[in-house]
Amino acid sequence: GQQLNQSPQSMFIQEGEDVSMNCTSSSIFNTWLWYKQEPGEGPVLLIALYKAGELTSNGRLTAQFGITRKDSFLNISASIPSDVGIYFCAATQGGSEKLVFGKGTKLTVNP
Amino acid sequence: DSGVTQTPKHLITATGQRVTLRCSPRSGDLSVYWYQQSLDQGLQFLIQYYNGEERAKGNILERFSAQQFPDLHSELNLSSLELGDSALYFCASSVGTNYPYEQYFGPGTRLTVT
Repeated sequence: GQQLNQSPQSMFIQEGEDVSMNCTSSSIFNTWLWYKQEPGEGPVLLIALYKAGELTSNGRLTAQFGITRKDSFLNISASIPSDVGIYFCAATQGGSEKLVFGKGTKLTVNP
Repeated sequence: DSGVTQTPKHLITATGQRVTLRCSPRSGDLSVYWYQQSLDQGLQFLIQYYNGEERAKGNILERFSAQQFPDLHSELNLSSLELGDSALYFCASSVGTNYPYEQYFGPGTRLTVT
């Protein structure tokens, strides 16, 4: 079935550093979304991307929809301790609205 | 706060039992989605309802069923529970069935089957 390969699996960084994570697939997707999940909570939508090549920012977060429509990346600039959590990429394919999720990137920020 | 509510927050039950999870979507949203999150499988789509009608099915077991009521709240029924059904169950909602496909998640129900 459809699969999103998300990397890295985990990251340990110092406060103030920039972070980059990505999601790739062998299939084409028409929407890419990035979510953040904290312990005991549901995923929170960070950024949604709808066009190949689209670059969208939300505060210190920037995400891009790959030009091949098979990948996306998320950057976090100047990380702070509250950025800690698991970041998931998700995507939809064709006319389907169901979200396919990556396995997540667990981010730890050391103050 | 996403505006999506789910009850209960935690549920502990025994194998063979049946439980019902409840979800209320954001005000104005017509679509409700159910997802299962487990350590080994990650987040998996189960089923979608739009304005009371089943819209799409994913990896949902025959022992599981769902419905969406006229007031748009949804219930996920899990029966003949097995140990492997222990997981987090999330409900998400979106405006409709067309672009944009932004789904907003509730806080989840943690189901533990003993």
